[in-house]
Parts: sequence; structure tokens; C-alpha cells
Amino acid sequence: DAGITQSPRHKVTETGTPVTLRCHQTENHRYMYWYRQDPGHGLRLIHYSYGVKDTDKGEVSDGYSVSRSKTEDFLLTLESATSSQTSVYFCAGGGHTDTQYFGPGTRLTVL
Amino acid sequence: QKEVEQNSGPLSVPEGAIASLNCTYSDRGSQSFFWYRQYSGKSPELIMFIYSNGDKEDGRFTAQLNKASQYVSLLIRDSQPSDSATYLCAVNRPGSSNTGKLIFGQGTTLQVKP
Repeated sequence: DAGITQSPRHKVTETGTPVTLRCHQTENHRYMYWYRQDPGHGLRLIHYSYGVKDTDKGEVSDGYSVSRSKTEDFLLTLESATSSQTSVYFCAGGGHTDTQYFGPGTRLTVL
Repeated sequence: QKEVEQNSGPLSVPEGAIASLNCTYSDRGSQSFFWYRQYSGKSPELIMFIYSNGDKEDGRFTAQLNKASQYVSLLIRDSQPSDSATYLCAVNRPGSSNTGKLIFGQGTTLQVKP
């Protein structure tokens, strides 16, 4: 969905450093989601938001935090990156129909 | 038992054939079912959704849902090499209606050979 962008698209960082990934949408999606995708695990929900300043944990939230200060932006922060957080991260947006539309993804490597 | 199960494949079909992709889910409370296509190195792209028992057709794609058997499938008619991708089945998480919380299967890789 061209209405959802992610930045950066690629990032290499070192263990212990903080990392923030940004998701920006122009579709006025009420709900937004952060997933990680790893071989053998598929897509796993990290955190989601059901409105401005309203967020909740997903199934793999440890080590991650999120913030949503306005409808358009949903930030994912790794407070202190670890090698186990090397992954591809996808942001998605959706409405009340459960349908989700994905951004292009961010490939994160933690050395 | 995984909440959403798919055969990882690869499923190989010749060009022009019908590809049949299958998915089972564990919770009878699920009400919304989705098929996403994901090309290598790209993000998932929604191709079909279905809410009611029976068939739903969209072009070359048909989604089939059988809630009694907890089974959802995707048929691709006249398969093309450009259909070669990983197909993800997703089911809404019961108790989270209208929040869009989905459970994804690990996907089935489809290879369409010319």
C-alpha cells in the first residue's frame, strides 16, 4: 500500500544502541501494527495501536516500545538492540474490518 | 498445534494449471480470513478476504471457507509464473473483533513452472 511508508528501509547497528523505526501513513487508518518476520516464525505482532496514544502489546513485545502521538505516525523503539532483534520489520495499518495493509518493511541488522 | 497452519511447500504447478493452497485454523471463534501474497524481499500484499462460508471469487482467485472444518483455501486458476510467491493465510484473533489483530500462518511457497 503506497499509503504506508517506513524509514529507514535498511539499518545496521551495534548491540546495546537504541534504534527507532518510523511508520508513516496517509490513509487515515485507525489501527496500526508493528510486526517482525523471521524464517521459521512467520509474521509476529510486536505492538499495535488502536488510536492516538492508545497502544497495546502483541505476542513478542519484550525489548520493544511504541508511541503514537498522531494518527499518521507510529514509532517502534528498540531501547537497547540485541542480535536477536535482527529481523525484517513491517508496519501495517487497518480499520474496523480487520483488513491490514503493509508498508515496505525495514531490514534491521544488529551486530 | 499451531493456531494457523499451512504446508510450507514448495507447491509446484505447471503454467496454466490450478494451484490449490490450504490453511487450517484452531479457534472456532475466528470470523475473518485473509490471503496475502508475498514476493521474495517484499511486503505482504492483500489479495483476498472472506467472512462467510462458501466461495468468493475475484478474477483468477477463489477463496473457500468451511468454518465447520476450520479450513480456508485459495485457488488460483490459470497459474502464471508471476504467481510464484509465498502465500500467507491470516485469521482474526478471537475476542479481538474489529481491532484487526491477526494470526498469520508461516506461508506456502508456490512455484509456477513455464
